[in-house]
Order: sequence, then C-alpha cells, then structure tokens
Amino acid sequence: RKEVEQDPGPFNVPEGATVAFNCTYSNSASQSFFWYRQDCRKEPKLLMSVYSSGNEDGRFTAQLNRASQYISLLIRDSKLSDSATYLCVVNVVGGYQKVTFGIGTKLQVIP
Amino acid sequence: GAGVSQSPSNKVTEKGKDVELRCDPISGHTALYWYRQRLGQGLEFLIYFQGNSAPDKSGLPSDRFSAERTGESVSTLTIQRTQQEDSAVYLCASSFPTSGRTQARNEQFFGPGTRLTVL
Repeated sequence: RKEVEQDPGPFNVPEGATVAFNCTYSNSASQSFFWYRQDCRKEPKLLMSVYSSGNEDGRFTAQLNRASQYISLLIRDSKLSDSATYLCVVNVVGGYQKVTFGIGTKLQVIP
Repeated sequence: GAGVSQSPSNKVTEKGKDVELRCDPISGHTALYWYRQRLGQGLEFLIYFQGNSAPDKSGLPSDRFSAERTGESVSTLTIQRTQQEDSAVYLCASSFPTSGRTQARNEQFFGPGTRLTVL
C-alpha cells in the first residue's frame, strides 16, 4: 500500500460547482498534513495546512480524519483559475522530517 | 526576500554524460529536499538534508545519483552516466527545521526546477 494515496482524476467540474478530494495515508504516526497546488509546468506551492479541528480559507476547506487516516479538500464555487493539480502531503516527524507527497489530483474547471 | 533558486533551468545532455544540478535554498532554511518529477507524474522523493544530520538518501534510485550540501546552504545533485529514463524535472525545496516548530513552519518552498533531457 502506498504511503499516501490520491485519485489522480481528472475531475472535470463546471464553474461554480463544489468539488471535494480525499487523500488517504498509511502511517498512523503522521503528524502534519498539507495541501499543495501545482499548476501545469510549475513548481508546487502550499495551498493550506490541515489542522486537526479542520480549517477554512475562503472557498477552501480542509479536514483531517485521524481515525480513518484521510484528509480532504473541499472547494466551493469553483473558478476557472482553480484548475490545477492538488497534492496531498503528509509529514512523519520523528527526529527529522519525513515528507511524502501524493501523486496529485487533477482538477479542470470548465466554463 | 529571495526564494529557492535552481540552475540551470534547462539542461540537455547526451546519454552517458554526467550532469550537476544546483539548488540555493532560502537563507535560514536548514532542511533541503530534492525531488524528481517525470512528465505527468507525481513528485518522487530523492534525498533530504537537515542541518548537520546524516542525509536521508532513501529515495535515490541508483548509485548513479548523489547529492552534497555545504553546511546549510547550496546543494548539488549529481547524476553520473545519465540514461534516458533520467529525463525529468528535478525540484529542490527548503524549509525551516521542524523540531519545536508549529506545523506552519514545515511549509516547503520549491524552486522552479531544472528540466533535464537526456538524448
């Protein structure tokens, strides 16, 4: 089983739609969780951290479910500019930082 | 301030040649990572440096790959006897150390990458 698993998509959604991605992780010792965004032929950039109580940043909501070992990203009112690949990132912090990236979920927002 | 920089931005080489890729992390970032991303694929972890600790080399795909880091600054990734399957974008990222830090400080900042093409 992969350490971090994501559905690669693509998810094709109309503008204004709500879309959600899940990401599962296998290491129960994982402590830090993030969503990164990667535009085509660009480097990844941090979208948001994922906190235990869940957190929101504008149209974006991130949730963590430790019992089931998954994190989620919800995007409301999708914009064309949201089209990108969304990478799930999991850290196992133990003396040093061990970081694992998921393969990414591709989102295409359609006019 | 300046972000992570990488050079060269593009490198075309012939099969069998050695290449050296450079990464300049953000000042103050003691953690440095190298990743490989093949076309249409996810990020593949290669190696991790944290301060003066022994690097985590568990992601290096073969002994043709090696990396060095001078203190807490520049890092170089060397690929010897390049093969066509080495063609990819090589990304470098840096971050603050995680010990005693809040989660937000774990953010990795990526450089623009080096696009390597092996003919």
